[in-house]
Order: sequence, then structure tokens, then C-alpha cells
Amino acid sequence: QSVLTQPPSASGTPGQRVTVSCSGSSSNIGSNTVNWYQQLPGTAPKLLIYSNDQRPSGVPDRFSGSKSGTSASLAISGLQSEDEADYYCATWDDTLNGHILFGGGTKLTVL
Amino acid sequence: QVQLQESGPGLVKPTQTLSLTCTVSGASISGGEYYWAWIRQPAGKGLEWIGRIYASGSKNYNPFLKSRVSMLVDKSKMQFSLTLTSVTAADTAMYYCARAAVSIVRGKITDPFDIWGQGTMVTVTS
Repeated sequence: QSVLTQPPSASGTPGQRVTVSCSGSSSNIGSNTVNWYQQLPGTAPKLLIYSNDQRPSGVPDRFSGSKSGTSASLAISGLQSEDEADYYCATWDDTLNGHILFGGGTKLTVL
Repeated sequence: QVQLQESGPGLVKPTQTLSLTCTVSGASISGGEYYWAWIRQPAGKGLEWIGRIYASGSKNYNPFLKSRVSMLVDKSKMQFSLTLTSVTAADTAMYYCARAAVSIVRGKITDPFDIWGQGTMVTVTS
């Protein structure tokens, strides 16, 4: 069980807005920036959001991130079939001399 | 463009040592604004950070793997490596190497993994 808690699954229909949550604590999300990764089936993860709410070049503005306190969220608006993937949050944890944590992942299904 | 490629044995026997190499192409491994990491993923499960290394050799490991992990960087070969000792079936996973781009955004350090290798599957079996 991951220190960063994500719902194991989420779903939506095309065009809908879906959010994925990531809950942590003061030693990780509460103190550090959060990154989000998208992993399409059978492929390596891809950076989706960095520094809580920044989109790398090439990532559609349908994807957005936010952070408040010890939780972070990824929102996907105008859901498309190609968004069906696993989504992971990640951040540093300041305990044990510091290490990177990943959330357990959320599998997004486009109905 | 920048590419990372993992290489190494796909099968390792229990109690033996897993050794993987990541070759960097399309960019310098020595840039101070980057560091290099290993991340693994058991089949059907989530991602686990193994550790990171800077071109300078400075490194940090996952505290739960620290006793078994070692990383090195070879700037002349544009490679960095992972060694994991005393492997068990629990170490069976897809192993990814990745680049982290370090910057400061709104006064906070951020280091997302912006480039990933395609991954290499390692199975621990007798």
C-alpha cells in the first residue's frame, strides 16, 4: 500500500471531466511539488504535469493539475478514448533522508 | 532527441546480482540540470523509485532497497548503471531508466522524470 493514496479506478464518458486524487501527508505532498505521469498500456510512463500544475510542451490543455495542503488532483476535461490509461502521482518524501514516492496509480476507463 | 535505452540480462537467479545499464543518446549525461534514475514496476502493479545519481556521482537510494542497491555513472560511455544484490522473486519487474530535469518553479525545486527508457523486463527465477 502506497504512502500516496490514489483511487484504484476512475471512469467517464467521452467529453466528460474526470478528476484523480492523490492524498499524502505533511512530509511529502505538504512539503514538495507533485508530478503526474500517464502510462498507456504496454508503454513507459510519460510526464503529464510537473510542479503541481505545469504542463510540459505537447501536453494538451485538457490536462490540469492542482495541489492544496497534503493532497493533489489531476483533472482531465473533454475526455477522449485515448486518455484511457494508468495515472500516477509522484513527489518527494522528506523522511528517511529523502526519497521519491509514487502513488499506487489510478486506472482510467473511458466508457 | 534524447533517448534512453536499458540493457541487461532478462533472467537472474535468486540470491544473485541484477545488473542493468542505461545508455543516454542525444544529450550530455553531464548536464548539471539533470540527474539519472532507476524506477521499476512489477507486472500489474505500480511504480517504485529505486534511486538516482548525478553525473558528479552523488546519489540517493530508496531507503527500503538501500542495502542492496548501487548506482554508477560512466560519463565517457554516456551510461549509468544499476546493481541490485541478493535478488528474490519480489525483484521481478520491468525496470526503467529515466532522466529528471531539475529546475525551480515559483521558488520550489522540481525534478520531474521527463524522459524514460522503454524498459527492460527482469525475471528472477531458478
